[in-house]
Amino acid sequence: EAGVTQSPTHLIKTRGQQATLRCSPISGHTSVYWYQQALGLGLQFLLWYDEGEERNRGNFPPRFSGRQFPNYSSELNVNALELEDSALYLCASSLTGSNQPQHFGDGTRLSIL
Amino acid sequence: RKEVEQDPGPFNVPEGATVAFNCTYSNSASQSFFWYRQDCRKEPKLLMSVYSSGNEDGRFTAQLNRASQYISLLIRDSKLSDSATYLCVVRTASGGSYIPTFGRGTSLIVHP
Repeated sequence: EAGVTQSPTHLIKTRGQQATLRCSPISGHTSVYWYQQALGLGLQFLLWYDEGEERNRGNFPPRFSGRQFPNYSSELNVNALELEDSALYLCASSLTGSNQPQHFGDGTRLSIL
Repeated sequence: RKEVEQDPGPFNVPEGATVAFNCTYSNSASQSFFWYRQDCRKEPKLLMSVYSSGNEDGRFTAQLNRASQYISLLIRDSKLSDSATYLCVVRTASGGSYIPTFGRGTSLIVHP
């Protein structure tokens, strides 16, 4: 069974540009989560989608946005990129339910020059 | 007080040792709990869920203490391959859903 897949693996952008990151969940999973992990820091919760709806978002500015498609895949968009947006962006998926564990993809490493 | 706190370590132990990590959480309404391990520059991988009655998976034992609001992970007979960062995750009610909050992680180094 395929795990969570993310693309691209690496992304290099400059300040002010826009970035789009993609995630395909494990087959049968309807919930998708996005996290930011800056170097040396913990995972910061960004967004949670379930059944196509945004369920919750973390303490990030509105330039971080996303969506979930009917096939449950998701994309994260970051507008007006800033240097401090450089980080590993991790996507996780789970079955619906608060007691369901999340399974992570390999991440997209975003570098802002 | 942070929502989820872990001792960052590092815990430096010899092979075969028993080591225990704690993770405290601040919100008494927290609903579910998990332990993950993360190797350097890799994604977190689920180690185990934590159940109210405690649970064991081979050399790993997880416990939940709701009264004192902490979860623990015990690793017996440590192996070199156990060297990693161990993350606790707590899901807490927020706006009708349960958002996951990760601790910063505890670093474990197992040496020969």
